[in-house]
Amino acid sequence: DTEVTQTPKHLVMGMTNKKSLKCEQHMGHRAMYWYKQKAKKPPELMFVYSYEKLSINESVPSRFSPECPNSSLLNLHLHALQPEDSALYLCASSFGQGNTEAFFGQGTRLTVV
Amino acid sequence: GENVGLHLPTLSVQEGDNSIINCAYSNSASDYFIWYKQESGKGPQFIIDIRSNMDKRQGQRVTVLLNKTVKHLSLQIAATQPGDSAVYFCAENVGGGADGLTFGKGTHLIIQP
Repeated sequence: DTEVTQTPKHLVMGMTNKKSLKCEQHMGHRAMYWYKQKAKKPPELMFVYSYEKLSINESVPSRFSPECPNSSLLNLHLHALQPEDSALYLCASSFGQGNTEAFFGQGTRLTVV
Repeated sequence: GENVGLHLPTLSVQEGDNSIINCAYSNSASDYFIWYKQESGKGPQFIIDIRSNMDKRQGQRVTVLLNKTVKHLSLQIAATQPGDSAVYFCAENVGGGADGLTFGKGTHLIIQP
């Protein structure tokens, strides 16, 4: 299994809603990541979890709250988002040690209305 | 192939020709580089990687060249096919740990029949 699975694929939410994005991998990877990608732009790193602990937060607003329940799962909780937060949210995972590639999921296309 | 220079957002090539996509990276401490392919509506897909102790690496129909002196990376695709149409990103990592990737701006490769 070399897949990173993200759900849902599409999400439309209002600015007062609370929603969660989910990510799952079963490759034994110990590092998991959230990236944000706007249209026609490269992915930008948001958070890094290493061995289930948050190791990097790239100055992301608190309306985005990551959670890593176990080594296979990664969530991103969303609350009080703004329309400019609309983007493709990508989850990735890697072994986290040494130079090895990160595997990406298909992303969640988020629209904030 | 055609050297399109750095940071060009679009590269158009004839089917069957070779493609060369260029990337400049900024961090001289980066020691691991990856090329990703991203098709419309999908997450980035790993193509090939290279470590800083190498200057060339070959895969199936793809070659990556690394010039650390000028901090330049290129991806060569041989005998370009319609399925190669996508946006191509280079990405860099420092230290080989779970620090996440920094992506370049991306190049949209268009294959002309």
